[in-house]
Amino acid sequence: EVQLVESGGGLVQTGGSLRLSCAASGFTVSSNYMSWVRQAPGKGLEWVSAIYSGGRTYYGDSVKGRFTISRDNSKNTLYLHMTSLRAEDTAVYYCAALIAAVAALDSWGQGTLVTVSS
Amino acid sequence: DIQMTQSPSSLSASVGDRVTIICRASQSISNYLNWYQQMPGKAPKLLIYAASSLQSGVPSRFSGSGSGTDFTLTISSLQPEDFATYYCQQSYSTPRTFGGGTKVEIK
Repeated sequence: EVQLVESGGGLVQTGGSLRLSCAASGFTVSSNYMSWVRQAPGKGLEWVSAIYSGGRTYYGDSVKGRFTISRDNSKNTLYLHMTSLRAEDTAVYYCAALIAAVAALDSWGQGTLVTVSS
Repeated sequence: DIQMTQSPSSLSASVGDRVTIICRASQSISNYLNWYQQMPGKAPKLLIYAASSLQSGVPSRFSGSGSGTDFTLTISSLQPEDFATYYCQQSYSTPRTFGGGTKVEIK
């Protein structure tokens, strides 16, 4: 069974850093397209970042230069390292994977809440 | 970046109603269009991929159509468990933008 479990969220001060983790089971992170999607309180979904199986990474304009997506193949875990955090980064962050569907995120974690406050 | 526009942003419907949600892309995305359902407090769930392919396990009352810039999600007979928010997403290019969402509420 495919499972994604996020962790690492919490309260952080403006300008601070945080690393989110997404532990995967039932499939291999390094062999699949993986993505982070966030949702600010009461708002819609925002695509944040992605990493392809080959290692190429992509970022949304709002986080480019501040966030870094990576993976640890030995731990089968995806990460999102967030720096220079702003109030507008406050959101639930979801880890998602493309396992079997064509160019779509067919497996999602339960999300982890990041709150950025001064 | 490709902009995705959904309409309406919300709608009220009754159990048994036929519901249609529209998603428009700011440029042609071929059939690289996905639909997700999100229940309150839960992660999104993939319903439709590649504009019209039904994800495994999703009821057949859900269907998708369209290509190019105009797409629709149709629920043929609304069920109580379908009251949720629906999002379209383009997977034609990065960033893989989402539409603003359509909240389907009980009339």
